[in-house]
Amino acid sequence: EDQVTQSPEALRLQEGESSSLNCSYTVSGLRGLFWYRQDPGKGPEFLFTLYSAGEEKEKERLKATLTKKESFLHITAPKPEDSATYLCAVLPTYNFNKFYFGSGTKLNVKP
Amino acid sequence: NAGVTQTPKFQVLKTGQSMTLQCAQDMNHEYMSWYRQDPGMGLRLIHYSVGAGITDQGEVPNGYNVSRSTTEDFPLRLLSAAPSQTSVYFCASSDREQTNYGYTFGSGTRLTVV
Repeated sequence: EDQVTQSPEALRLQEGESSSLNCSYTVSGLRGLFWYRQDPGKGPEFLFTLYSAGEEKEKERLKATLTKKESFLHITAPKPEDSATYLCAVLPTYNFNKFYFGSGTKLNVKP
Repeated sequence: NAGVTQTPKFQVLKTGQSMTLQCAQDMNHEYMSWYRQDPGMGLRLIHYSVGAGITDQGEVPNGYNVSRSTTEDFPLRLLSAAPSQTSVYFCASSDREQTNYGYTFGSGTRLTVV
């Protein structure tokens, strides 16, 4: 069964304290792994797509990496404005329309 | 601004009532989907469409209907509302190259069924 698990459920950091969020997945053929950011009361906002093991993508303080079983979202020197829920989703090769989402990691960065 | 527009933003229904959640996009995207988001369960796919006139079921389709008569619009109908349908509903769209850009999501409809 295809599934996505994110950990931890919640993470509290001090401003400037770097950390990583984890997304582990099982899918029979990966077309792409996606990271989204979701602010309270809003829809998810696209961050990155990763396609193959070893790939990395960066955006400001965020860096996403991918292995055959999991992805990490590294946050370097976070700021309070990085506080949000971060969602991971996988798209299988057998159906280009069915994304499988994890339940998210709620990040709180305190000044 | 271009994007996905959902209406209404909030709705309270009584059990057994029906309603339609509206979704429109102005990006000429072929793919459109409806998700529901519940605490601790992530986003779950209800129905999706790959183009006008073509729809299919997702993970949790029971109690919901959709149709796609135009590229722009993808309404979600609740036939007879139940408390289990209390949730936040998101409409999303993407173009054929969705693997590059993922979905564009609307801002959501918060539905409460009492």
